Order: sequence, then structure tokens, then C-alpha cells
Amino acid sequence: DSGVTQTPKHLITATGQRVTLRCSPRSGDLSVYWYQQSLDQGLQFLIQYYNGEERAKGNILERFSAQQFPDLHSELNLSSLELGDSALYFCASSPLDGPGEQYFGPGTRLTVT
Amino acid sequence: TQLLEQSPQFLSIQEGENLTVYCNSSSVFSSLQWYRQEPGEGPVLLVTVVTGGEVKKLKRLTFQFGDARKDSSLHITAAQPGDTGLYLCVGAAQGGSEKLVFGKGTKLTVNP
Repeated sequence: DSGVTQTPKHLITATGQRVTLRCSPRSGDLSVYWYQQSLDQGLQFLIQYYNGEERAKGNILERFSAQQFPDLHSELNLSSLELGDSALYFCASSPLDGPGEQYFGPGTRLTVT
Repeated sequence: TQLLEQSPQFLSIQEGENLTVYCNSSSVFSSLQWYRQEPGEGPVLLVTVVTGGEVKKLKRLTFQFGDARKDSSLHITAAQPGDTGLYLCVGAAQGGSEKLVFGKGTKLTVNP
């Protein structure tokens, strides 16, 4: 158990809908990272927050957004969902601001039908 | 564009065999992490290497960081079915988190 929690575990929704994925980092970690992992791709870095502020952006679509709240939990919002958005979404936390070791949550499996 | 090439992409071996997987790049990394991921679960951190030439051992797993900090290897001795999983290397280049570089992984299957 990494100490990172993600909800929900599974999510099935229709194209065009909007969903919110939630992540609680390990106690004491200030950084939260979001990743997308689909079958034919490796882990794709989406975005990082540190202590409530956006720190780095990766391959995040404009239809996706995220935020980190004062209690350090984070939410990833996915809107106008497409079939290709079906994937595993992981959040990871780290005590560091910069790149380094991360602790991954169990993931949310999103299926868009 | 920074790339981390992992090889082999797939590896299927019998219990008790030894194996080595590789992670190579033309870029220099300030640190490199190895993770193992089981199907449907999040990657689990195995080790971080920081110094060129560094060797770290974790039970039957031996990790090495290249002298130039551009490559790394993971050697498993006497593999067991519990070693089955996707092994990912992740390089941290100088700069912010957008400088994290992910390999696509080596999918290892250890057959009993």
C-alpha cells in the first residue's frame, strides 16, 4: 500500500460526458502528479501540482483540467469524453517539487462507451 | 525529444533463470527510478539511482546506473513467478517535472 488513494476504482460513462477523478496523496507529500496509461501507450505524464500550484504540464488535453486543494487532495476533470479517453488514470505523490521518486495510487479505470 | 529505450520489450523465462533488462538514452539524467507494475495496479517504486556507476541491490535484484548517467540496467537472479510484471525506468532530467522521461517498459513473465 503506497498510501496514495484514488477514487473511484472504476468508472463507466458515455461519450460527451464529464467525470471527476479524485486523489489523496501520502501524508506529508506536497506534490501530486497525474498520468494516463492506455493499452498501446506507456505512462503519459499529464500534470503536476505542488502545494496547490500548477508546476508542470505534460501531454494534457484542453478538455482535461486539474486542481489541488488546500488539504492537498487533487481532482482531475475530464470533459467532452471520447472513446479514446478510455484508460487507466494514475495519480502519484512525492515529497519533492522537482522530478524524483513517486508513489503511485491504485488507479482509476475509465471506460468511455 | 528525450527518450528512454527499454529492452527487451517482452521477456518470458522459466523460474530460476537470470535476466537483465536495459534502459538506454542519449540524454543525461540527474536520477533514474525503476518501478514494477502489476496488471491493473499502480507502479511501485523499486529503487532510485543518482550517482554515475552506482550499484544498488534489493534482494535478488541488482540495479546499475551507467557511469555517464545515460543508461541503467536491472539484473534479476534466480527469477521467481512473483517477479512477473512490467518494469519501468523513469529518468529525471535537469529542470522541472516536465523533464520526467518514461520508458515504455519491459514486460517480464516468469513461468513456474
